[in-house]
Amino acid sequence: GESVGLHLPTLSVQEGDNSIINCAYSNSASDYFIWYKQESGKGPQFIIDIRSNMDKRQGQRVTVLLNKTVKHLSLQIAATQPGDSAVYFCAESLNRDDKIIFGKGTRLHILP
Amino acid sequence: DVKVTQSSRYLVKRTGEKVFLECVQDMDHENMFWYRQDPGLGLRLIYFSYDVKMKEKGDIPEGYSVSREKKERFSLILESASTNQTSMYLCASSFPRAGIYGYTFGSGTRLTVV
Repeated sequence: GESVGLHLPTLSVQEGDNSIINCAYSNSASDYFIWYKQESGKGPQFIIDIRSNMDKRQGQRVTVLLNKTVKHLSLQIAATQPGDSAVYFCAESLNRDDKIIFGKGTRLHILP
Repeated sequence: DVKVTQSSRYLVKRTGEKVFLECVQDMDHENMFWYRQDPGLGLRLIYFSYDVKMKEKGDIPEGYSVSREKKERFSLILESASTNQTSMYLCASSFPRAGIYGYTFGSGTRLTVV
């Protein structure tokens, strides 16, 4: 069935280092994949998305990688800053509708 | 600044009460969604709507209903609140093909049922 999950519930990273947050999905029919960031007391905020016909997409300090062979999605954050501290959700969406299925989230903790 | 507004940040209600959670968006989005967020379970879809007066069940609709009388407003209704409905409720809206544009979320309503 449809499911999106994350390998690690909590990730601690030294400030200035790169962060890599991983996600596994099970529905090979999913066409869109999205990363969201949720800061304390706020709703999730869109970071970046990628379509299934791509394997990499870059934004400002963030890169999303998609490996359809092993159904794996990752979010890379370059030069992690204290403001990156949040819970990160991966999500998938089928092409034929607009429902987004969310993973359980990974908390990113920045070490000083 | 476009946004999704949820009427209450915190609510405390008694078991058996009828509870209304309101969500308003000012982006002229067709699609609106209600999720609940619980620790360790992520975001789970309760109901969604692609148009006025239209609604569809999500993954966990039991104990909930919705109303969408106007395009900008999507209400979540707990007919008879129970303690297992204590949760963070998040409303979101999007244009069609949310995978491209992503959702815009409200800040959430933390509901406690006692």
